[in-house]
Amino acid sequence: LAKTTQPISMDSYEGQEVNITCSHNNIATNDYITWYQQFPSQGPRFIIQGYKTKVTNEVASLFIPADRKSSTLSLPRVSLSDTAVYYCLVGTLNNNNDMRFGAGTRLTVKP
Amino acid sequence: KAGVTQTPRYLIKTRGQQVTLSCSPISGHRSVSWYQQTPGQGLQFLFEYFSETQRNKGNFPGRFSGRQFSNSRSEMNVSTLELGDSALYLCASSLVGGRTDTQYFGPGTRLTVL
Repeated sequence: LAKTTQPISMDSYEGQEVNITCSHNNIATNDYITWYQQFPSQGPRFIIQGYKTKVTNEVASLFIPADRKSSTLSLPRVSLSDTAVYYCLVGTLNNNNDMRFGAGTRLTVKP
Repeated sequence: KAGVTQTPRYLIKTRGQQVTLSCSPISGHRSVSWYQQTPGQGLQFLFEYFSETQRNKGNFPGRFSGRQFSNSRSEMNVSTLELGDSALYLCASSLVGGRTDTQYFGPGTRLTVL
């Protein structure tokens, strides 16, 4: 399973755009990239998933360069409620639901 | 559609006891995975069940076990509890599992071992 590296923490202010980058140098050809958000004492919540280029939904955008060795989660106009830990996950084995979470990025949004 | 539910939400046990946690997946989901989350180790995969069969297992001792019923509901059991087993135990369900299948997590069971 590809190992991921993310910044441990980030600070931002309300209304700003936040970009969190995840490195996954050993990503395999069939691997997908998935991001989750977790609030304290709650289970992680799916944000977005992609394979290459750009994916956008109502919550975030995911940018994946051609070499796929990294990905960037973009949160537009963050609010205080976006303060959470964000996890980047890469790939699972065939017919395997094993997901290995890294340490995640603790995002703190300030007023 | 109702989300993943876990019971109980909080539990206090003493060392040496055993505990059973329950997880009800989203209706129609057949894959259920269990995770342990602690401040020191983060989120760690325990095991995954699909169609009543354990399909994958993480690196946890045999004291941790689970099962899945025909209605996809799952239970996790920890025997001979140790202080280090204190953690948030999370259950996640997905349609069939696999690399592109989104997992939906429950709120977790907070287990405290005294």
